[in-house]
Amino acid sequence: DAGVIQSPRHEVTEMGQEVTLRCKPISGHDYLFWYRQTMMRGLELLIYFNNNVPIDDSGMPEDRFSAKMPNASFSTLKIQPSEPRDSAVYFCASTPLVYNEQFFGPGTRLTVL
Amino acid sequence: GQQLNQSPQSMFIQEGEDVSMNCTSSSIFNTWLWYKQDPGEGPVLLIALYKAGELTSNGRLTAQFGITRKDSFLNISASIPSDVGIYFCAGLSGGYQKVTFGIGTKLQVIP
Repeated sequence: DAGVIQSPRHEVTEMGQEVTLRCKPISGHDYLFWYRQTMMRGLELLIYFNNNVPIDDSGMPEDRFSAKMPNASFSTLKIQPSEPRDSAVYFCASTPLVYNEQFFGPGTRLTVL
Repeated sequence: GQQLNQSPQSMFIQEGEDVSMNCTSSSIFNTWLWYKQDPGEGPVLLIALYKAGELTSNGRLTAQFGITRKDSFLNISASIPSDVGIYFCAGLSGGYQKVTFGIGTKLQVIP
């Protein structure tokens, strides 16, 4: 298996633009997680899905952030409009139904100018 | 919400030295995890601990699940340059698939 796949790996955009981050979880994993990592706050859980259904989005910072999972093999995290304080590394992770271990993708480094 | 206190936040050591880092929590966890993150990559699981008092090894790495269920430590013996990276502790409690991460320990190994 190729592991969790994220794209793009790097994204530089200007304030006010829409940003879409993409994730393909490991096949057969029923849970998908979106995290944000910054130097100040470390790894923060934004939202997670179970069987494509959002279960807990309490970590989503504000209405500018939205996440979807239209099918078991694809998820998006969208920021609209983006702001400089959104600059961070965004990770996607997935896990099988019965195990606790999460498998992380390589991350998307977002820079908002 | 739950918080994990991880220490130290950074450390410089000489190659060959042993390393110890730990995490404490104000809440009880059912599972403790230790991850390593290399530059430009996502965290990778090193060790998972499922029972209070459990001591588990993975090569030169040893981790323990504290008896109180509120702490865990990770030891690395005979460090080598490729041990460089950020080490995260993480805990799971009632939210079965929801993980709380520590802030990380950045390890630098001087050859």
